Amino acid sequence: GDSVTQMEGPVTLSEEAFLTINCTYTATGYPSLFWYVQYPGEGLQLLLKATKADDKGSNKGFEATYRKETTSFHLEKGSVQVSDSAVYFCALSVSPAGGTSYGKLTFGQGTILTVHP
Amino acid sequence: ETGVTQSPTHLIKTRGQQVTLRCSSQSGHNTVSWYQQALGQGPQFIFQYYREEENGRGNFPPRFSGLQFPNYSSELNVNALELDDSALYLCASSRLAEETQYFGPGTRLLVL
Repeated sequence: GDSVTQMEGPVTLSEEAFLTINCTYTATGYPSLFWYVQYPGEGLQLLLKATKADDKGSNKGFEATYRKETTSFHLEKGSVQVSDSAVYFCALSVSPAGGTSYGKLTFGQGTILTVHP
Repeated sequence: ETGVTQSPTHLIKTRGQQVTLRCSSQSGHNTVSWYQQALGQGPQFIFQYYREEENGRGNFPPRFSGLQFPNYSSELNVNALELDDSALYLCASSRLAEETQYFGPGTRLLVL
């Protein structure tokens, strides 16, 4: 079945450090890939997405590139801030060949990011 | 544009009871999906509704059921509650042909 694996956490960084959170996936069909962020006590917010191979999603200084050859979608940010402290989830949605996805998102286990001043 | 809303925010039940959680979809969206997020885990897909019918289901038993109404709001019903049902329940809405789902803040359920 479809699955997403995220790097083991938690991740603790100092402000302005470089961030990488690894994400790899297995999927049938044609996956779209997502990063969601969850702040303490809140629901999930879409951070960025990529819907086909070699696409780069970006938002708020975060970037991730859809690498079909390595089945990866690693999240990066050049300079993190204290306000980036949250839980980050990698997810995929698979569309049958040529069809419309029925919308099921498969999530990784999440990576807790803590940024210190 | 109004986002996805859920009620209640918190709920405490005892084992064996039944619970109903509610969700109001984002304006213009015609599908709603429900997810269960256990503490420290990623969300797990329960089911999706489109045009008031179930349109896909994850690995959850039949005591998890749902409804979608003509105004695209939705309910998640869980019967015969078990301790392991304690979790954050998330509702997400979208347009059927679009990949992106938009999540509500969730309902935190505690089963004692």
